[in-house]
Amino acid sequence: GDSVTQMEGPVTLSEEAFLTINCTYTATGYPSLFWYVQYPGEGLQLLLKATKADDKGSNKGFEATYRKETTSFHLEKGSVQVSDSAVYFCALIPRSSASKIIFGSGTRLSIRP
Amino acid sequence: DSGVTQTPKHLITATGQRVTLRCSPRSGDLSVYWYQQSLDQGLQFLIQYYNGEERAKGNILERFSAQQFPDLHSELNLSSLELGDSALYFCASSVVNGVSNTGELFFGEGSRLTVL
Repeated sequence: GDSVTQMEGPVTLSEEAFLTINCTYTATGYPSLFWYVQYPGEGLQLLLKATKADDKGSNKGFEATYRKETTSFHLEKGSVQVSDSAVYFCALIPRSSASKIIFGSGTRLSIRP
Repeated sequence: DSGVTQTPKHLITATGQRVTLRCSPRSGDLSVYWYQQSLDQGLQFLIQYYNGEERAKGNILERFSAQQFPDLHSELNLSSLELGDSALYFCASSVVNGVSNTGELFFGEGSRLTVL
């Protein structure tokens, strides 16, 4: 079935470091892909998305490119801040079932000042 | 503020008991989704309602049930509680039946259930 696999955390970086959080997916056809972020004590919120191959989603300095050849949607940021500390979830919506959004297990990111 | 309201924020109860979690979606949103977030299993989709009708079911136990009322608020009922049911339960809403148009779900802050 459809699934999302994320790199395990926690990930700890120093401020201004480069961030990559890996995400790969398994799905029939070409799903839509998303990154959600969960700040401490809050619910999830959409960070960025890409709905077709080679699309790049971007928001708040984060980027992710939909790569169908490698079935990946890695999240990157060039210079992280302490305020980026959160849990990041990769997710997909299968073409076969628009009612369901499937989340990865989440990656906890901690940024040291 | 996502506009989705969940109550209670925290709940502590004993094994074997029954609890009800409540969710009010964003104004105008017709779909409500319930998710369970536990440390060892990540975010698990439980169930979705659209305009009062069940539309999709995930890994929801038979001890759990949900409904969406005419005013669009939803309740998740958890019965015969076990220690393993301790988790954060999220409600999310979207305006459409499926999310494929925008991919955006609006999440509440969650209800943290502790079963002792």
